[in-house]
Amino acid sequence: DVKVTQSSRYLVKRTGEKVFLECVQDMDHENMFWYRQDPGLGLRLIYFSYDVKMKEKGDIPEGYSVSREKKERFSLILESASTNQTSMYLCASSNSQGNTEAFFGQGTRLTVV
Amino acid sequence: QKEVEQDPGPLSVPEGAIVSLNCTYSNSAFQYFMWYRQYSRKGPELLMYTYSSGNKEDGRFTAQVDKSSKYISLFIRDSQPSDSATYLCAMSEGTSYDKVIFGPGTSLSVIP
Repeated sequence: DVKVTQSSRYLVKRTGEKVFLECVQDMDHENMFWYRQDPGLGLRLIYFSYDVKMKEKGDIPEGYSVSREKKERFSLILESASTNQTSMYLCASSNSQGNTEAFFGQGTRLTVV
Repeated sequence: QKEVEQDPGPLSVPEGAIVSLNCTYSNSAFQYFMWYRQYSRKGPELLMYTYSSGNKEDGRFTAQVDKSSKYISLFIRDSQPSDSATYLCAMSEGTSYDKVIFGPGTSLSVIP
């Protein structure tokens, strides 16, 4: 069974903390993505990566950075967490064909207090 | 105007009903259309994927695309309580997944 695994289901962090969200996929996919999901806004793309050590900004990259040191792992970093970053974060991966299907992790519910 | 619009619901139907879920969009260049299902506290999973206009059927699910009206639909026949979830439409112009635009989702409850 294919899997995208996110390291935490729930996180509570304080304003100003540096936060790491980890994502691992076991499908040997080239493409990996980080989204946030907020009520009424749908999924919004933060960053994506098409290859190891490669990263591209999505639609809402401000306040975030990413790291992809290995093909199977894609990390999202909140440099200095703020309350407006309270959200559901979803990692996804897809193969090089791109649009056929994305596989999502179970999500991380992050609360910044 | 948002690029992809979707009635958020919630939509509540009795078991066995036919469900119609819809999205409208503004970008006439969209060619790939997808429906994802998201159960509570889970990530989305792909239900169906269509290219350009027309219908596609998979079991109890039928996806329809009307590009002339910029309107897509997902029909669920003989709905089951296990269909209770949020349904997200998604679409893109080409094969690059970074340009996929998601709708906000419609919450569906199927009552036994």
